[in-house]
Amino acid sequence: EDKVVQSPLSLVVHEGDTVTLNCSYEVTNFRSLLWYKQEKKAPTFLFMLTSSGIEKKSGRLSSILDKKELFSILNITATQTGDSAVYLCAVESGTGTASKLTFGTGTRLQVTL
Amino acid sequence: NAGVMQNPRHLVRRRGQEARLRCSPMKGHSHVYWYRQLPEEGLKFMVYLQKENIIDESGMPKERFSAEFPKEGPSILRIQQVVRGDSAAYFCASSQQGNNSPLHFGNGTRLTVT
Repeated sequence: EDKVVQSPLSLVVHEGDTVTLNCSYEVTNFRSLLWYKQEKKAPTFLFMLTSSGIEKKSGRLSSILDKKELFSILNITATQTGDSAVYLCAVESGTGTASKLTFGTGTRLQVTL
Repeated sequence: NAGVMQNPRHLVRRRGQEARLRCSPMKGHSHVYWYRQLPEEGLKFMVYLQKENIIDESGMPKERFSAEFPKEGPSILRIQQVVRGDSAAYFCASSQQGNNSPLHFGNGTRLTVT
């Protein structure tokens, strides 16, 4: 069974801190790894990673994938209170047209003043 | 707003009633996915559909649950004879191509079974 594990489960930091969120996975027929941010409503897409070692950046957020060690990290620098959310890691797997996403349980990040 | 639209936002049903959840994908998206999120748990895959076809329903309970995505109109997730354990947030997501294209999620329907 495909498995995605995120750590830590929750995290409280002060505004301005840098955080690293972890995601490890065991899946058959890996296709891609995705990060989402979930506040009160719908998860919003952050990054899609398919190749090892290539960092993707968007403002203060960045992410990288290691396909050999089967993990990814999401970094947030200079955190702000608006970064408080649950960050979800998901792995797409499958062959042909039959792909699916397996989600981790998420890391709940709280950024305090 | 061309995002994924789900309705209703909140749905309350008594045990034994039927629940119908609707999802209109983003414009230009023909792949629809349904996920369930229980409290303190991650999103669990239920079913993947394209127009008029169920591609993968491996995550859907065999009884009481069904899904469709007709040629015209929204995708429907139907839960018959609901039980308390069906209470959850149900998210719909759509993508343009299915493979290697990110999902875009709706705001979810929160189902409460009393």
